[in-house]
Amino acid sequence: AAGVIQSPRHLIKEKRETATLKCYPIPRHDTVYWYQQGPGQDPQFLISFYEKMQSDKGSIPDRFSAQQFSDYHSELNMSSLELGDSALYFCASSRTSSGTDTQYFGPGTRLTVL
Amino acid sequence: DAKTTQPPSMDCAEGRAANLPCNHSTISGNEYVYWYRQIHSQGPQYIIHGLKNNETNEMASLIITEDRKSSTLILPHATLRDTAVYYCIVRPPINYGQNFVFGPGTRLSVLP
Repeated sequence: AAGVIQSPRHLIKEKRETATLKCYPIPRHDTVYWYQQGPGQDPQFLISFYEKMQSDKGSIPDRFSAQQFSDYHSELNMSSLELGDSALYFCASSRTSSGTDTQYFGPGTRLTVL
Repeated sequence: DAKTTQPPSMDCAEGRAANLPCNHSTISGNEYVYWYRQIHSQGPQYIIHGLKNNETNEMASLIITEDRKSSTLILPHATLRDTAVYYCIVRPPINYGQNFVFGPGTRLSVLP
């Protein structure tokens, strides 16, 4: 079965640079979620989109923005990167319109800020 | 969403059943119990969810008490690959993009 695809899988950036993470949901899934997981921590919710509209917002820094496109893929844009942004970033998708929002997670992008 | 309480860690012998408890005493009538697990640095993996009745799939069984204030995830024959952090999450059925709250979970170690 098709799964959530995230790219890139690994990313190394310098402080103050920008980064763009991409997420391709499972086919026919209409909702995308972004989570951040720092070292030794549990996944923390950042932001989500349902049918291309922002549906929920967590502790996402103002330096971060995201959107969901017409083909339902999503991008997380991160600017003015800080050392503390080094983390695993997970994308998840669900098919909310089918009556369930069980989330299925991708393999994650490991971002390292030097 | 209702708060959940799980033991921080558990051990289980390989081949034996692993029973992971979760307390959710403030659960509302329409809230489901979800279980996810995260194997080291991989994306969280959906295991199972249920409302009132016990549920079983190819991965695990979910036993929910009659008063719905607690539940148990059962891995019938634990293997070394089941070593992971297991999260119990309570939430309404459809939340249109509302997030899951992870943590702190139970760290299950399956021992040879």
